[in-house]
Amino acid sequence: QSVLTQPPSVSAALGQKVTISCSRRPSNFGHNYFSWYRHLPGTAPKLLIYDNDKRPSGVPDRFSGSRSGSSATLVITGLQPDDEADYYCGTWEDILSAFGGGTKLTVL
Amino acid sequence: EVHLVESGGGLAQPGGSLRLSCAASGFTFSDFAMTWVRQAPGKGLEWVAAITGSGDEKYYAVSVRGRFTISRDNSENTVHLQMSSLRADDTALYYCTRGPSKCCYTHHDYWGQGTLVTVSS
Repeated sequence: QSVLTQPPSVSAALGQKVTISCSRRPSNFGHNYFSWYRHLPGTAPKLLIYDNDKRPSGVPDRFSGSRSGSSATLVITGLQPDDEADYYCGTWEDILSAFGGGTKLTVL
Repeated sequence: EVHLVESGGGLAQPGGSLRLSCAASGFTFSDFAMTWVRQAPGKGLEWVAAITGSGDEKYYAVSVRGRFTISRDNSENTVHLQMSSLRADDTALYYCTRGPSKCCYTHHDYWGQGTLVTVSS
């Protein structure tokens, strides 16, 4: 059983908003801090959000993250064609790092 | 600017060995934990191994424990992944990543472009 569960795919229209969810299995470990990554296959994944809601410098504020309990959400507003990619949530449980299964975002 | 450049991938036979390297630049290497993350064809990201900035502590995913060894050379700004007893399901694109601090890899703030490992007879 994977530590983190994401929907396999989401879609939304150009210029609209999309949310991607990530839920963590119950655990006695971990600190409920989530991160988010954008990945185009064959390229280097890019960190979008860390510590639930912090954006690295250079990441547009169209990307935002939040956490509620053991779940996290990535919100992307003002969708652009270049946003079409795979999105992964990540976390840290005890000494192990983990990723969700990934969500493919289609921009209609 | 942070750069991570992986090398050493290629074709290996089942049961064989391969050594991956990651050359880092643009930051004080010993101040950061480093990890390896892989992506098998058609699959998602899977964390493989991590090493603290000093190199004193190393951690592994269950799937590679006992077969893979992570190490680092802080004088050469490189991190390595020695892979042995390779299996077909080790076939993947292997990424080198940086953790946010010396001890920890709570997230991965920089990634390399990856090096492809194919295990096949």
